Amino acid sequence: QKEVEQDPGPLSVPEGAIVSLNCTYSNSAFQYFMWYRQYSRKGPELLMYTYSSGNKEDGRFTAQVDKSSKYISLFIRDSQPSDSATYLCAMSDGGATNKLIFGTGTLLAIQP
Amino acid sequence: SQTIHQWPATLVQPVGSPLSLECTVEGTSNPNLYWYRQAAGRGLQLLFYSVGIGQISSEVPQNLSASRPQDRQFILSSKKLLLSDSGFYLCACERGGTEAFFGQGTRLTVV
Repeated sequence: QKEVEQDPGPLSVPEGAIVSLNCTYSNSAFQYFMWYRQYSRKGPELLMYTYSSGNKEDGRFTAQVDKSSKYISLFIRDSQPSDSATYLCAMSDGGATNKLIFGTGTLLAIQP
Repeated sequence: SQTIHQWPATLVQPVGSPLSLECTVEGTSNPNLYWYRQAAGRGLQLLFYSVGIGQISSEVPQNLSASRPQDRQFILSSKKLLLSDSGFYLCACERGGTEAFFGQGTRLTVV
């Protein structure tokens, strides 16, 4: 079993829809959770960062962490064609080396 | 804020040739530095990380090596490339927090 599981998609939704992206994980030591957005042939850029359980909102983006279920989500409201990208979840136990464990990424396409 | 420079952006190399990819960081000091490889459909695989000058840890046995000759410089090398070394190589840095910031990557094709 992989430490982090993420549906690779592709996920196609119409413009304006609410998008839900998810990851599950197996390591209960993970405390820091991140979502990265990656456009084709570019490096990932940090989108959201959350510590422990709870919600965090930033504009159209909301990140949720449920540590009891080992489940994290990213919601995108009022999705735009410019949101089309691969979304990667990542997590860490916050140790000295801070190694991030990534999901495989979900390819999202927003249809105009 | 940190800025990560990686070059070259694209590289095509023959099997058996050497490799040197360079990553430099601006805007921070004493960062943790990482090399990742991204293969299609497989996410990011951590190859090496460094917590300081001359300190390198390898995550997976492979044909590659890494060095950190200066605080904000991280180099990925190979003496003889294999076809399986093809991929998208990403340098990342982190300091003070837990989120990592990435460079724009080098797409390596070994032919």
